[in-house]
Amino acid sequence: DSGVTQTPKHLITATGQRVTLRCSPRSGDLSVYWYQQSLDQGLQFLIQYYNGEERAKGNILERFSAQQFPDLHSELNLSSLELGDSALYFCASSVDVRVGAEDTQYFGPGTRLTVL
Amino acid sequence: GQNIDQPTEMTATEGAIVQINCTYQTSGFNGLFWYQQHAGEAPTFLSYNVLDGLEEKGRFSSFLSRSKGYSYLLLKELQMKDSASYLCAATHAGGTSYGKLTFGQGTILTVHP
Repeated sequence: DSGVTQTPKHLITATGQRVTLRCSPRSGDLSVYWYQQSLDQGLQFLIQYYNGEERAKGNILERFSAQQFPDLHSELNLSSLELGDSALYFCASSVDVRVGAEDTQYFGPGTRLTVL
Repeated sequence: GQNIDQPTEMTATEGAIVQINCTYQTSGFNGLFWYQQHAGEAPTFLSYNVLDGLEEKGRFSSFLSRSKGYSYLLLKELQMKDSASYLCAATHAGGTSYGKLTFGQGTILTVHP
């Protein structure tokens, strides 16, 4: 158990719908990262928040958005869902980001999204 | 840009040693992580290298050569439970990529009795 929690574990929805995935980081971790993992793409970085502020952005679609709240939990919102959005969505957290230091990202159990 | 290459699949025998290689070409490279991921589960941290050389942690060791853009994960005394995907990931030093991990596609290791 990494200490990172994600809800829900599974989500089944229809094309065109909107869903919200939730993540609570490990106690004391300030950074939250979101990743998408599909069979043909591997683990893809979406976005990072640090202490409530957006820090880094990957290939996140405009239909997707995220935020980190004052209590440091984060939500990933996916809208106008398409079949290709079906994937495992992982959240990870770390203490801080310092150059040269080991800033290990610990992953939550993931949310499996199925779009029908 | 970022490019990380690792073999797609490997097989090995229980009790043996296996080496999983990873080559990377990333801008602003900071360090390299190895994660283990069983099917449908979360990646779990194995090792981190930022300096050249070998880091040993029990049955697992990881090596980094920054000048060659090369790393490997060495697994000794293989057990059946080591059958999993092994992910190599580069972390970035600065700019808009600060802190993000770029993952390779993963190497699926199958351990046979």
